[in-house]
Amino acid sequence: DADVTQTPRNRITKTGKRIMLECSQTKGHDRMYWYRQDPGLGLRLIYYSFDVKDINKGEISDGYSVSRQAQAKFSLSLESAIPNQTALYFCATSDFGGTQETQYFGPGTRLLVL
Amino acid sequence: GEDVEQSLFLSVREGDSSVINCTYTDSSSTYLYWYKQEPGAGLQLLTYIFSNMDMKQDQRLTVLLNKKDKHLSLRIADTQTGDSAIYFCAESISGYALNFGKGTSLLVTP
Repeated sequence: DADVTQTPRNRITKTGKRIMLECSQTKGHDRMYWYRQDPGLGLRLIYYSFDVKDINKGEISDGYSVSRQAQAKFSLSLESAIPNQTALYFCATSDFGGTQETQYFGPGTRLLVL
Repeated sequence: GEDVEQSLFLSVREGDSSVINCTYTDSSSTYLYWYKQEPGAGLQLLTYIFSNMDMKQDQRLTVLLNKKDKHLSLRIADTQTGDSAIYFCAESISGYALNFGKGTSLLVTP
């Protein structure tokens, strides 16, 4: 079984709709992240969480919100989806060991906003 | 943040060596990473190097680090068609997040 899972894997929605992307991990890591990937732009950090009570904005948090329901679960919401939020979304986890930060990625959710 | 720079595309023939280059931004980055993304999949960690090292070798992979020029490279020996993927360079920033480059698409032709 995969250590980091994302649901759904693909989603088509309409402008203005609220949607939620979910991420679960079995690695026991405290840190979780949400990124979006756009062609030619690499990965950009949306939100990150160091533990259940710690949520932080990343580089591009506008239009997104997150919830850390448990150590193993971190969900990303688009309150009112817009077409430029069409992208590939990745969840990642890490177990911070001193200064080393290896992140483990889920398979991604492909989102299309019409 | 500032950009981690990578060339966008590289094509090599099967059996040749591939060299993917990266220029990072933060001289205080303690670790630098190479991730691989195969089509339709998430990113997988390939290797990483600690900033006090100049070189790290792991089977077919060789990572070279030039701290003075903030230059990182990944060499893949005997490149195979299965190595075709997007390769991302990343630097650790502030000990909590990674700053990724835009990725280099490697195409290996028979």
